[in-house]
Amino acid sequence: EVQLVQSGAEVKKPGESLKISCKGSGYSFTSYWIAWVRQMPGKGLEWMGIIYPGDSATRYSPSFQGQVTISADKSISTAYLQWSSLKASDTAMYYCARRGFGELPLGYYYYMDVWGKGTTVTVSS
Amino acid sequence: DIQMTQSPSSLSASVGDRVTITCRASQSISNYLNWYQQKPGKAPKLLIYAASSLQSGVPSRFSGSGSGTDFTLTISSLQPVDFATYYCQQSYSAPLAFGGGTKVEIK
Repeated sequence: EVQLVQSGAEVKKPGESLKISCKGSGYSFTSYWIAWVRQMPGKGLEWMGIIYPGDSATRYSPSFQGQVTISADKSISTAYLQWSSLKASDTAMYYCARRGFGELPLGYYYYMDVWGKGTTVTVSS
Repeated sequence: DIQMTQSPSSLSASVGDRVTITCRASQSISNYLNWYQQKPGKAPKLLIYAASSLQSGVPSRFSGSGSGTDFTLTISSLQPVDFATYYCQQSYSAPLAFGGGTKVEIK
């Protein structure tokens, strides 16, 4: 079974660092990009960035560039999202998702087809 | 960056109703448009990709259409399990923005 298993809920204080994880299984982890998506309480989905575990190529949304770091360790099929100094506004659910693709007559189309269950991050003094 | 705007932000409908949700891109994205369904406390689920291609396992009452800047998601006959929030997302160019979501509630 193809799945992404995320690390457990975190409760942190402002200014602390944090690294959450997303472990892939059931497929070739190095062949698919992994995206991170934020969902603040009661709000919509926000695409944060994406990484290709095969070579660690990374793309960030301008809204999150410099605020978080996305990385991966292909030897253990795990992607990471980290903060060096958390803020209360980082309180949210964070999802990782695999970028799958479909081939149609006009070409390849990309979408997020496998999602982790999410990691809740709470930042409060 | 491309912005995605959904309407309405919420709607009330009855079981059996035909429901249409609209998504508009701030510039042309051809047909690089995906739709997701999210239920409370759960991760999103892919419904449609490439604007109109149904993901494997998704019921045929869901359909998508559109190209360029204007897209629609239609549920032909709303079922109790369809009450959820729906998001569009462009896959044309990074950052791959989502629409703000449409919450479908029971009337």
